[in-house]
Amino acid sequence: AQSVTQLDSQVPVFEEAPVELRCNYSSSVSVYLFWYVQYPNQGLQLLLKYLSGSTLVKGINGFEAEFNKSQTSFHLRKPSVHISDTAEYFCAAMDSSYKLIFGSGTRLLVRP
Amino acid sequence: EPEVTQTPSHQVTQMGQEVILRCVPISNHLYFYWYRQILGQKVEFLVSFYNNEISEKSEIFDDQFSVERPDGSNFTLKIRSTKLEDSAMYFCASRGDRGREKLFFGSGTQLSVL
Repeated sequence: AQSVTQLDSQVPVFEEAPVELRCNYSSSVSVYLFWYVQYPNQGLQLLLKYLSGSTLVKGINGFEAEFNKSQTSFHLRKPSVHISDTAEYFCAAMDSSYKLIFGSGTRLLVRP
Repeated sequence: EPEVTQTPSHQVTQMGQEVILRCVPISNHLYFYWYRQILGQKVEFLVSFYNNEISEKSEIFDDQFSVERPDGSNFTLKIRSTKLEDSAMYFCASRGDRGREKLFFGSGTQLSVL
């Protein structure tokens, strides 16, 4: 069965610093991978997705992620964060029935 | 961009009461999902629905839960006798037959069981 692991439950970072949110997945087949963001009291918004092709995927709000098959990772990065990036970030994988399997989430806390 | 609409945004109910959460998927979509997120926890799959029947359901989706597409536009989740532990944010999602990887989520219904 597929699973998604986000090792960091919370990542504090200062404004304008770079950040990396880690995600590892387990799968023996091709996967579709996603990052979603959830701002306080809001729903899920798609940041970016990897389906195939280039392993570096660019998303909204300056985020990008790199698919690494050998390390089964799909880490999310941003070179310079803003206060407004404070949110919960969920990594997800889509299984063969097109169902999303979510990680436990990482709370990004950006401090001034 | 088209949207999935969920109503109500907040629902408060007494333990043991029945609740119905409503969703209007995107009009030409054929696959529908319910997920839930208990406060502070991850988003969990509940059920998927296609062609007027359940395609897949999780262990969470027990006999207290049911889903229905009562007409051509709505997709509902019913909880027959709510428990305190049903308190969560419930998300509806839908997708089309083309672009199968693209799941559109609604903004959620926050259910509070007292």
